[in-house]
Amino acid sequence: NAGVTQTPKFRVLKTGQSMTLLCAQDMNHEYMYWYRQDPGMGLRLIHYSVGEGTTAKGEVPDGYNVSRLKKQNFLLGLESAAPSQTSVYFCATKQDSSSYNSPLHFGNGTRLTVT
Amino acid sequence: AQRVTQPEKLLSVFKGAPVELKCNYSYSGSPELFWYVQYSRQRLQLLLRHISRESIKGFTADLNKGETSFHLKKPFAQEEDSAMYYCALCLPLYNQGGKLIFGQGTELSVKP
Repeated sequence: NAGVTQTPKFRVLKTGQSMTLLCAQDMNHEYMYWYRQDPGMGLRLIHYSVGEGTTAKGEVPDGYNVSRLKKQNFLLGLESAAPSQTSVYFCATKQDSSSYNSPLHFGNGTRLTVT
Repeated sequence: AQRVTQPEKLLSVFKGAPVELKCNYSYSGSPELFWYVQYSRQRLQLLLRHISRESIKGFTADLNKGETSFHLKKPFAQEEDSAMYYCALCLPLYNQGGKLIFGQGTELSVKP
């Protein structure tokens, strides 16, 4: 039982390059989220998904796209990376809808640097 | 607007001293609050949530609706408590999928 797994762990991109971050979960959770963590700003929600085939924008969605084709996977894409997207990215999942205050389970994070 | 504020970026104490990490929130409904901890370069882990009123690793937090606060306390800090601590407000599922709104985080440093 791996929980929430993020790949890759580290990546360095040049401005304008593209990449996809993968989040995989084996807990059968419905809800999945992508956050970015920046010093002094806490974690901010980029996009989220309430179930397979559905996605929605969070607080800071610009420059990112997501897909949830399978329940267990939530992909975050950067089509044209910018230095402002240098950050640590965390994926998180939440249990079913019966308890909205159930905690989030986080992955280990992806450290992305855009030069 | 919903907001979580942690006024201290860094809190430094000596081992054995009491610790209080401050958290204030702004929310019109009934708040669901959590404390998460992140040890050096690791994932965020749930420390405790107000609804369960439990004590984890000696930490407690009481929701004070009058002061809109959810401060985290520990009577005797240990070196292994050194970490980044985040206070978070959970929204209902119909509001952005029940996301967490995080404070800016407080880095706790416990010196020997």
